[in-house]
Amino acid sequence: EPEVTQTPSHQVTQMGQEVILRCVPISNHLYFYWYRQILGQKVEFLVSFYNNEISEKSEIFDDQFSVERPDGSNFTLKIRSTKLEDSAMYFCASSEPRRHTDTQYFGPGTRLTVL
Amino acid sequence: DAKTTQPNSMESNEEEPVHLPCNHSTISGTDYIHWYRQLPSQGPEYVIHGLTSNVNNRMASLAIAEDRKSSTLILHRATLRDAAVYYCIPGEDQGAQKLVFGQGTRLTINP
Repeated sequence: EPEVTQTPSHQVTQMGQEVILRCVPISNHLYFYWYRQILGQKVEFLVSFYNNEISEKSEIFDDQFSVERPDGSNFTLKIRSTKLEDSAMYFCASSEPRRHTDTQYFGPGTRLTVL
Repeated sequence: DAKTTQPNSMESNEEEPVHLPCNHSTISGTDYIHWYRQLPSQGPEYVIHGLTSNVNNRMASLAIAEDRKSSTLILHRATLRDAAVYYCIPGEDQGAQKLVFGQGTRLTINP
């Protein structure tokens, strides 16, 4: 069964450094998403992406964040200058939206630890 | 976004049915009711969704109240693998939409 994959599974970085989290969505999907989950808290929407542009973003997704689909398979989330509060699990998801059935498929996540 | 209310936690025994309730009294007429779950240390996983009629799939059943202000996810025979946090998420019928997760219900299954 097709699945969303994410790399790395765990990323440790120093505050102020740039990180890039990578995702390979399911191949025929058209919509891509990033969510994050701070330890012990809710899963929070960050951004959705379609047709090579951002469809929607949350207040969390400020100028420090960017997304890109550099080729036909990868979808990346970049954090330019990490802060301690960026430490979280980051989940990528993808969907092939049809009327009434926009099921999102999530990857296993990347645990980001900012020191 | 429609507000949802779910119990913080529930407990059941293996091989018994589990009924997970959700109140969504502010749901709009076109919102579907989606259920996702998150197994320990994993990403969320789709379970089931419906609009007005009760729905069944290989994972679960979804019973939707006639006034659509509440729904119940039914696991017919819980297994240890069903231990997870279950989220009820109303969603607009407009194609790809962000999922707004609440705190969900943490389901514990006793062997």
